[in-house]
Amino acid sequence: GAGVSQSPSNKVTEKGKDVELRCDPISGHTALYWYRQSLGQGLEFLIYFQGNSAPDKSGLPSDRFSAERTGGSVSTLTIQRTQQEDSAVYLCASSFRHSNSPLHFGNGTRLTVT
Amino acid sequence: AQTVTQSQPEMSVQEAETVTLSCTYDTSESDYYLFWYKQPPSRQMILVIRQEAYKQQNATENRFSVNFQKAAKSFSLKISDSQLGDAAMYFCAYSKFQGAQKLVFGQGTRLTINP
Repeated sequence: GAGVSQSPSNKVTEKGKDVELRCDPISGHTALYWYRQSLGQGLEFLIYFQGNSAPDKSGLPSDRFSAERTGGSVSTLTIQRTQQEDSAVYLCASSFRHSNSPLHFGNGTRLTVT
Repeated sequence: AQTVTQSQPEMSVQEAETVTLSCTYDTSESDYYLFWYKQPPSRQMILVIRQEAYKQQNATENRFSVNFQKAAKSFSLKISDSQLGDAAMYFCAYSKFQGAQKLVFGQGTRLTINP
């Protein structure tokens, strides 16, 4: 079946603009994660969704970052008033519910803030 | 807080030879998972191998094996019979045993395969 799909693949935006990044997880996967990969910070966890439970937002770096997951499937990561330090690759991953189920990652969205 | 350290930013190996990538970690937990992920230029993180901390036996997946030393908090990856397709960034990662897989990653090792 299809893997985790992320769009757009690349996004260039001007400082101060809002951006939305989309993640379509593997069908049947109830857990969804967002990670950020940047030159300065490496790979870091951002947010976690599990079914209809409240998301774990403990990794979000500021209140400019938010995410939602509609219908337990597609997720959107929104960054408001983008800053140059937001430039990074944003990776989405999904898995079955159980903690020992492996994560399946998408190809990420490369965000460049100019 | 848990930390993962990869001390080799770059490694290279001749095709068909064996290479070992190093990883150390720090945690106060007794049960956890350790992972090696491969990231080719496509950017997709691909799981190479996983080790459960409660298992003494080292995990193996075909040409990939680990040397897990729990007391030393060391988790190295050995790639045997290296192939050109093995060239990629390799990340060591940690997650708690229960709950969400909020992975803590090392800084990565870029592996080059010389033909």
